Amino acid sequence: EAGVAQSPRYKIIEKRQSVAFWCNPISGHATLYWYQQILGQGPKLLIQFQNNGVVDDSQLPKDRFSAERLKGVDSTLKIQPAKLEDSAVYLCASRTHRGLSGTEAFFGQGTRLTVV
Amino acid sequence: EDKVVQSPLSLVVHEGDTVTLNCSYEVTNFRSLLWYKQEKKAPTFLFMLTSSGIEKKSGRLSSILDKKELFSILNITATQTGDSAIYLCALGSGYALNFGKGTSLLVTP
Repeated sequence: EAGVAQSPRYKIIEKRQSVAFWCNPISGHATLYWYQQILGQGPKLLIQFQNNGVVDDSQLPKDRFSAERLKGVDSTLKIQPAKLEDSAVYLCASRTHRGLSGTEAFFGQGTRLTVV
Repeated sequence: EDKVVQSPLSLVVHEGDTVTLNCSYEVTNFRSLLWYKQEKKAPTFLFMLTSSGIEKKSGRLSSILDKKELFSILNITATQTGDSAIYLCALGSGYALNFGKGTSLLVTP
């Protein structure tokens, strides 16, 4: 079974530029998460999709971050314009929900963003 | 608001020691509690716990959940240098999955 695919693996941009990250979840996984992980901290949920609908985007800085999952499969996360404090690893995860408790979430390798 | 608190935040032990990592939580709609190991970028799944008092075990690692006292522990016996990593606890609430800050474990030879 193919895992969660993310690209690019690394990105360096200047502040005020824009950047986009792509995620292809495991086939059949309805739930997709984007997390931001700053060095030394746990992953912070940015947005959660159920199929192509947003379930939770309460922690997404909507003035600069946007995300979509148009056909309920692939997803993109965009930052425009980037700030220095956006430097982090952006992790995508997917999950299926068999039964009440669901299954574990599977993570992609992440994208390390450095804003200079 | 759901909350996940892990302790300690960091830990240094010698090879062969036994360690216990803690995860306490507050939740409105508990579904599951998950443990992950993160060595480089992608967290890898260790355990998912849904019922109190049932120990999950995999080799030298084990975990148990107490739904009355709202905590879970992850035990690692006979630690090895390869156990050095960040251990993350995540709370499954509805479809959400929220992580604690993690415990950074360093096992020295």
